[in-house]
Amino acid sequence: QSVLTQPPSASGTPGQRVTISCSGSSSNIGSNTVSWYQQLPGTAPKLLIYGNNQRPSGVPDRFSGSKSGTSASLAISGLQSQDEADYYCSAWDDGLNGWVFGGGTKLTVL
Amino acid sequence: QLQLQESGPGLVKPSETLSLTCTVSSGSISSSSSYWGWIRQPPGKGLEWIGSIYYSGSTYYNPSLKSRVTISVDTSKSLFSLKMSSVTAADTAVYYCARASSGWYEFDYWGQGTLVTVSS
Repeated sequence: QSVLTQPPSASGTPGQRVTISCSGSSSNIGSNTVSWYQQLPGTAPKLLIYGNNQRPSGVPDRFSGSKSGTSASLAISGLQSQDEADYYCSAWDDGLNGWVFGGGTKLTVL
Repeated sequence: QLQLQESGPGLVKPSETLSLTCTVSSGSISSSSSYWGWIRQPPGKGLEWIGSIYYSGSTYYNPSLKSRVTISVDTSKSLFSLKMSSVTAADTAVYYCARASSGWYEFDYWGQGTLVTVSS
């Protein structure tokens, strides 16, 4: 059971916009920033979003993040086949004094 | 571009100690802006943070693993290590080392990962 809650799956067709939610609590998302990771099959996770809505250099602006209260969302616009991957949210947790992850969302491009 | 590389045995017997090393290159392991950590992923499952060490030596562990885990850093060799005792089959996973920024607490650099199987 992950501390952060994500839907196990999401899907969309090419060109569509999809969102993935991440729900937490006051000790993690509610008081700290959220980061998002993309994991392609057989590879290490890659940082996609940090500081709730900041994109590292090289990440397309099709990817965007937002946070409200104890929840966060990752939006992917102009969906492409290469976006098919697992997506994870993460945040520092003040109560656990460490990082927590969501259970991951498997995105399928139909 | 900072690079991290895990190394260690791919097979560990039940009840023994798992030991992994992460070598950091193209950057300073002594940077005050870095937490160095371990994250694992059991086959077909999600990511689990194991623990991290700050450049000063302060350690942070997942409470569910704290009693079995030790993370240390060797700045002279630019590496940090993970030791996990009394392993069971449930500890079989891909183990990643990663750097977290002390600014936004994101894991911005990752190793490629190493599969550790616990089996007799």
